[in-house]
Amino acid sequence: AQSVAQPEDQVNVAEGNPLTVKCTYSVSGNPYLFWYVQYPNRGLQFLLKYITGDNLVKGSYGFEAEFNKSQTSFHLKKPSALVSDSALYFCAVRDRGGYNKLIFGAGTRLAVHP
Amino acid sequence: GAGVSQSPRYKVAKRGQDVALRCDPISGHVSLFWYQQALGQGPEFLTYFQNEAQLDKSGLPSDRFFAERPEGSVSTLKIQRTQQEDSAVYLCASTADRGNSPLHFGNGTRLTVT
Repeated sequence: AQSVAQPEDQVNVAEGNPLTVKCTYSVSGNPYLFWYVQYPNRGLQFLLKYITGDNLVKGSYGFEAEFNKSQTSFHLKKPSALVSDSALYFCAVRDRGGYNKLIFGAGTRLAVHP
Repeated sequence: GAGVSQSPRYKVAKRGQDVALRCDPISGHVSLFWYQQALGQGPEFLTYFQNEAQLDKSGLPSDRFFAERPEGSVSTLKIQRTQQEDSAVYLCASTADRGNSPLHFGNGTRLTVT
């Protein structure tokens, strides 16, 4: 079965420093991978996706993610963190089948300190 | 433009009561998903509609859960005889097609069963 793992419950980073939020996946076939962000009391917002092509994917708000097939990873990165980036981040993989059903990880809370 | 709208935002039910949660997807969106998000967890898939057809209900946790989308637009998730373990945020998402377009999420309904 398709699955993703987010090994860190929380990531702390100082404002202005680079940030990385980790995600590993387990799929059969080609992976379709996504990152979403959730602010308090809000639904999830799409950040970026990897379907095929370049391993480095650029998304919203300056975020990017690197697809690494050999390490089965899809880590989310940003060169310079902002306090406003503090939120819950979810990695997701598209399930097998003919529609866009997503399987989400447990989430990583990002805390950016001034 | 208008996003996915869910109502009510908060619902408190006594154990054993029936509840109905409403989702208004983005106009014209073919695909509609319901997810359940327990506290501190990632969203878990419940069910999927393509237009009015419920094509996947594999995530519904019991026969107390029922979803419908009779005219291919508004959807209702009904939970009968609520139990404490049903307490969660219920998220609705829609997307324009069956491909890899991002899911657009509503802000969710927080259900508390007392």
